[in-house]
Amino acid sequence: AQSVSQHNHHVILSEAASLELGCNYSYGGTVNLFWYVQYPGQHLQLLLKYFSGDPLVKGIKGFEAEFIKSKFSFNLRKPSVQWSDTAEYFCAVTRDDYKLSFGAGTTVTVRA
Amino acid sequence: DTAVSQTPKYLVTQMGNDKSIKCEQNLGHDTMYWYKQDSKKFLKIMFSYNNKELIINETVPNRFSPKSPDKAHLNLHINSLELGDSAVYFCASSHPPRSRETQYFGPGTRLLVL
Repeated sequence: AQSVSQHNHHVILSEAASLELGCNYSYGGTVNLFWYVQYPGQHLQLLLKYFSGDPLVKGIKGFEAEFIKSKFSFNLRKPSVQWSDTAEYFCAVTRDDYKLSFGAGTTVTVRA
Repeated sequence: DTAVSQTPKYLVTQMGNDKSIKCEQNLGHDTMYWYKQDSKKFLKIMFSYNNKELIINETVPNRFSPKSPDKAHLNLHINSLELGDSAVYFCASSHPPRSRETQYFGPGTRLLVL
């Protein structure tokens, strides 16, 4: 069973719509959480990461994510998407080691 | 001044051939990684080297052999290529491996085995 689950396989929305991508993990104990983005034809880039402290994390390009420990979740949000946000989004987790475990990814298509 | 670069970008080859993919990073990182992304876009770590020493070796066929000539390079050699090896292979690097280190990824090498 996959340890990092991303609920949505493909999300299609219009520009200016709000985006929320779900991510759940199944590890107990301390985790470190990441969201990476892969724009078409490009490499993976870090959007944001959470280690400790304020569970609401702000990243680049207007993205934010909220860590809810009781729900084992780290959902990614953006209030108003742009066409350029079309990409593949990956949630990833490390525990007490440094192996990044990725979710299966969510394809986001933003229609102009 | 690409941070993590890979060559080639595309690789099309026949079953049974041997091929290599090269990775170089100019970020001054000590640790490098190889990931495989399958046709469903699922990313899985294959290997990691820290200071030229193998530190992660996931369950990967021994046809795959990483080689790190120095800290800035991590190459992946694949013997006797099979159809199932078709995938995108990503190289990444980071500072010394700790659970909070950000990994920086290369552009990927798209391998197609015919």
